[in-house]
Amino acid sequence: DARVTQTPRHKVTEMGQEVTMRCQPILGHNTVFWYRQTMMQGLELLAYFRNRAPLDDSGMPKDRFSAEMPDATLATLKIQPSEPRDSAVYFCASGWGQGMNEQFFGPGTRLTVL
Amino acid sequence: SQQGEEDPQALSIQEGENATMNCSYKTSINNLQWYRQNSGRGLVHLILIRSNEREKHSGRLRVTLDTSKKSSSLLITASRAADTASYFCARRRGSTLGRLYFGRGTQLTVWP
Repeated sequence: DARVTQTPRHKVTEMGQEVTMRCQPILGHNTVFWYRQTMMQGLELLAYFRNRAPLDDSGMPKDRFSAEMPDATLATLKIQPSEPRDSAVYFCASGWGQGMNEQFFGPGTRLTVL
Repeated sequence: SQQGEEDPQALSIQEGENATMNCSYKTSINNLQWYRQNSGRGLVHLILIRSNEREKHSGRLRVTLDTSKKSSSLLITASRAADTASYFCARRRGSTLGRLYFGRGTQLTVWP
């Protein structure tokens, strides 16, 4: 049963600390998306990769957020330094093709920044 | 806003009743997708309807698309308590390299 996996599932950290979230897309998928979900803003796209190349990271605060795909099986989202307003659930999703099909979401990382 | 917007924000019904959720959008689309999110979980894809399609079925789900009105609806027939979840429409535009624009969702509660 192919699934997108995310680690950690929960993270509590203090303001100013670095946070790294990891995602393993479904094997064979070539598109990876990072989303952030909050009650206030809903679901926001942060970054989007196809074939490991970043295509759209316009939704990401550039000064503190960075997203990478070191290889086809790993995507990372890093926040440095973290702030309380970063508290949210971060989802990774993967898909295939030109990105026109459905996306498969991971279970999310619930981040709390104190 | 370029997002799809769902209506109503919340819907509460009894088991066995039908649930209808609507989605409106502002710009042209390539396809429109509906997702479900159970509390504390990731989103799960339900159904995709392309811009040249008007209606699609999947089990108890029926999706319609009216591109002239820029709107879509999701109908869940004979609802069950297990259908309790948030439902999101997501719009895909052909010019945006595959990104999806999500609405704020409809919270559906089905009472046993």
